Amino acid sequence: QISLKESGPTLVKPTQTLTLTCTFSGFSLRTSGVGVGWIRQPPGEALEWLALVYWDDDKRYSPSLKSRLTITKDTSKNQVVLTVTNMDPVDTATYYCAHIFHDGHYLKYGFDIWGQGTMVTVSS
Amino acid sequence: SYGLTQPPSVSVSPGQTARITCSGDALPNQYTYWYQQKPGQAPVVVMYKGSERPSGIPERFSGSSSGTTVTLTISGVQAEDEADYYCQSADRSGTAVFGGGTKLTVL
Repeated sequence: QISLKESGPTLVKPTQTLTLTCTFSGFSLRTSGVGVGWIRQPPGEALEWLALVYWDDDKRYSPSLKSRLTITKDTSKNQVVLTVTNMDPVDTATYYCAHIFHDGHYLKYGFDIWGQGTMVTVSS
Repeated sequence: SYGLTQPPSVSVSPGQTARITCSGDALPNQYTYWYQQKPGQAPVVVMYKGSERPSGIPERFSGSSSGTTVTLTISGVQAEDEADYYCQSADRSGTAVFGGGTKLTVL
């Protein structure tokens, strides 16, 4: 059974770097075709995709945030880490990680299993 | 990057049919996924690839597409279906995008 859980600070100051960890079970990022993505949701607003990483270390980023995002994987720990630099109050959101679903078309993907999310507030 | 457009809200009475649309120029060439999100909860996928229902999702949920618009249909809406619904797709570069979300209200 696949599960994912996000962890990280609940409060960061403006200009700081946010580091979030997604710890998962029930699958391996050593397996061909497997990927994990990050999505965030500001309070009362829509979902926003941030980044993804595939088993082969293929990485994709949101064009609007690409300069501030870094996604990495640690296959030995079953973890995916997302860093967001230069945090701003507008980055206040619930951050989710999710298992990627696709049918072999890697660029036509969705997210079939989501973590519970972690709320991050940016405030001085 | 491109955008997906959803109506902000849809309201139906119990037992009626709700149709939630999602429009985007790239949709004819991409898969669309639909997610249901209830307050305080993580999203749950209710439709894969436009019209494939995951196991555990009631048969009253269905999906269809026509041109640049995909539609999530909920037949015989129940009170428990009240939630926010999001469509999601990806462009040819692998960039995912979500629609703005539709709040389904069961009157």
